[in-house]
Amino acid sequence: EAGVAQSPRYKIIEKRQSVAFWCNPISGHATLYWYQQILGQGPKLLIQFQNNGVVDDSQLPKDRFSAERLKGVDSTLKIQPAKLEDSAVYLCASSLAGGPPGELFFGEGSRLTVL
Amino acid sequence: QKEVEQNSGPLSVPEGAIASLNCTYSDRVSQSFFWYRQYSGKSPELIMSIYSNGDKEDGRFTAQLNKASQYVSLLIRDSQPSDSATYLCAVKEAGGTSYGKLTFGQGTILTVHP
Repeated sequence: EAGVAQSPRYKIIEKRQSVAFWCNPISGHATLYWYQQILGQGPKLLIQFQNNGVVDDSQLPKDRFSAERLKGVDSTLKIQPAKLEDSAVYLCASSLAGGPPGELFFGEGSRLTVL
Repeated sequence: QKEVEQNSGPLSVPEGAIASLNCTYSDRVSQSFFWYRQYSGKSPELIMSIYSNGDKEDGRFTAQLNKASQYVSLLIRDSQPSDSATYLCAVKEAGGTSYGKLTFGQGTILTVHP
């Protein structure tokens, strides 16, 4: 079974530029999450989708971050304009609706460096 | 903002010893608790889940939950160098569905030295 796919793995941009990350969850997983993990910290939930609807985006900085999950499958997270403090690993995860609670499957992550 | 706090670490133990990792949470009505392991440069992976008070054992790992004290712990017996990783405590908000938000602690770095 293929895991959660993310791209790009690494991205370096200047502040005020924009960047987009892509995620394809495990086939059949209805719930998709984007987490931000700053070095030395635990993952912080940015947004959670159930199919193509948003379940929780309370910690998403909506003035600069946006995310969509068209057709309830893959998802894109965009940052525009980027700030220095956005340097982090962006982790996409998915889970099976009705599966064991808390069992998230993470992708390899997209490491963003903002200069 | 509901909080999950872990002992700051880093924690260093000799091979064969017991490693004890601790976590407290602020939301009294939380129902589900998890330990994830994250190797350096890799993504988190679920290693233990616990839902009721008491101990849950899985091989060399034991999770302990005390809801009255809002405390979760993970014991690793016979620690091996391959156990060296960051351990993340995660708490699922109450809500009765599988959609509840999972909040992670900051992680504890464990090093097992030969």
